[in-house]
Amino acid sequence: SAVISQKPSRDICQRGTSLTIQCQVDSQVTMMFWYRQQPGQSLTLIATANQGSEATYESGFVIDKFPISRPNLTFSTLTVSNMSPEDSSIYLCSVAPRLAGVEEQFFGPGTRLTVL
Amino acid sequence: KNQVEQSPQSLIILEGKNCTLQCNYTVSPFSNLRWYKQDTGRGPVSLTIMTFSENTKSNGRYTATLDADTKQSSLHITASQLSDSASYICVVTRSNDYKLSFGAGTTVTVRA
Repeated sequence: SAVISQKPSRDICQRGTSLTIQCQVDSQVTMMFWYRQQPGQSLTLIATANQGSEATYESGFVIDKFPISRPNLTFSTLTVSNMSPEDSSIYLCSVAPRLAGVEEQFFGPGTRLTVL
Repeated sequence: KNQVEQSPQSLIILEGKNCTLQCNYTVSPFSNLRWYKQDTGRGPVSLTIMTFSENTKSNGRYTATLDADTKQSSLHITASQLSDSASYICVVTRSNDYKLSFGAGTTVTVRA
């Protein structure tokens, strides 16, 4: 399995500011994913972060709003820029290593963001 | 329309009782189906993963079933415990691009 940690675990931010969320994995993984989970909703993929290349964003998410860095195979950051109350969500980092022939998907504990 | 529908949206059961959660999906082509448990304020944790050829898989008191013909899955919780209180999420993977489709989850509350 993969153990994932995220920082911060939660934060309360003011409108118009930015927050950078860190994701650390205990093993090297090719692909890392960032998800958003709005209150009472299912998870929505924001982007896929590959080491050495630009992140691939899903429809409805743009790099200017959610810039992502992937400096190495164990670490990634997601920045939520120019925040508004609508950005209040849980943000989750995920990795999908291939174990015993099956692509597993592991999630971090999440970062609970509240924007005032 | 969400390609993964879960029911019920929430349920309350007494400690020691059993319950069954349902998941219907339209995701195609199908690769695998997973059930996750998400405690409040935590990330989802995998309970089971089933491929096309698997009909049932157990993980302790959790038993998942899959009918790939009708595109239905269930998660059965036996002898529920207070620690089973959580959201249970059904996730289906597409085989052509490995994209995940998430259900909205079923919130289970176990009461003493």
